[in-house]
Amino acid sequence: GAGVSQTPSNKVTEKGKYVELRCDPISGHTALYWYRQSLGQGPEFLIYFQGTGAADDSGLPNDRFFAVRPEGSVSTLKIQRTERGDSAVYLCASSPGGGRSYNEQFFGPGTRLTVL
Amino acid sequence: LAKTTQPISMDSYEGQEVNITCSHNNIATNDYITWYQQFPSQGPRFIIQGYKTKVTNEVASLFIPADRKSSTLSLPRVSLSDTAVYYCLVGSGAGSYQLTFGKGTKLSVIP
Repeated sequence: GAGVSQTPSNKVTEKGKYVELRCDPISGHTALYWYRQSLGQGPEFLIYFQGTGAADDSGLPNDRFFAVRPEGSVSTLKIQRTERGDSAVYLCASSPGGGRSYNEQFFGPGTRLTVL
Repeated sequence: LAKTTQPISMDSYEGQEVNITCSHNNIATNDYITWYQQFPSQGPRFIIQGYKTKVTNEVASLFIPADRKSSTLSLPRVSLSDTAVYYCLVGSGAGSYQLTFGKGTKLSVIP
C-alpha cells in the first residue's frame, strides 16, 4: 500500500507570495498532522485533523498559516504572504486515529519550502 | 509534556551494538516512550514504543528501568544504513496526538 505522499517535494517562492502544500494520507487514516522542521531541529507540531475538522491548530505560528481537509482525506496547508523565516521542511503524517495509535504516526517525505 | 534529554551525537563501527539512552525524569504515569528514526530528506519513521521493562521488535529493543526515568534504545549489529537521527519522545497513549520532538541523537556508523 502507498504511504503518505506530499507535493510538491520542493517549492521555491518569493517573499510575499502565497503557497499551497498538499498531503495525501494513508487510505483509511482518520488522523492527519502537519509539522514543520527547521535545519538541525526536530519536527515541530502545527495542526491536527480528526476527520474533516481541525481538532487542534495551536501550533500554527500566526494567521498567515491555514490548513484544510474538506473531505477527510487530502489536506492542504496554505501560507499567505510568505516570509523568509517560513523556509523549512513541512511534514505531513497520518495515523489510524485514536488511543495509542497517536504515538505511531506515518510521515511523508516532506515539502522543502524556500522563501527568497 | 515530559522533557527528554539525549546525546547530540554518537559514532559506532559497523557490526557493533549501539545503545542510545534518553532521560525523562518527569515522565507521567500514563506516558509511553516512543522512538523515531529519521534519514536525511525523509520524514521520521516509528521504530518502537514501550511503557515499562523491555520491548523487542525486528528492528530494535527498548529497555525501560522500573522508575521509568530513562530508557535505552538498543540497535543490534548496526550497518551503514542505520546512520540517521534518532528521537526519543514521551507522551500519553491516549489524547496526546502532538508528538514533541527534541533535537535527537545523530548516529554515524563508520565502516
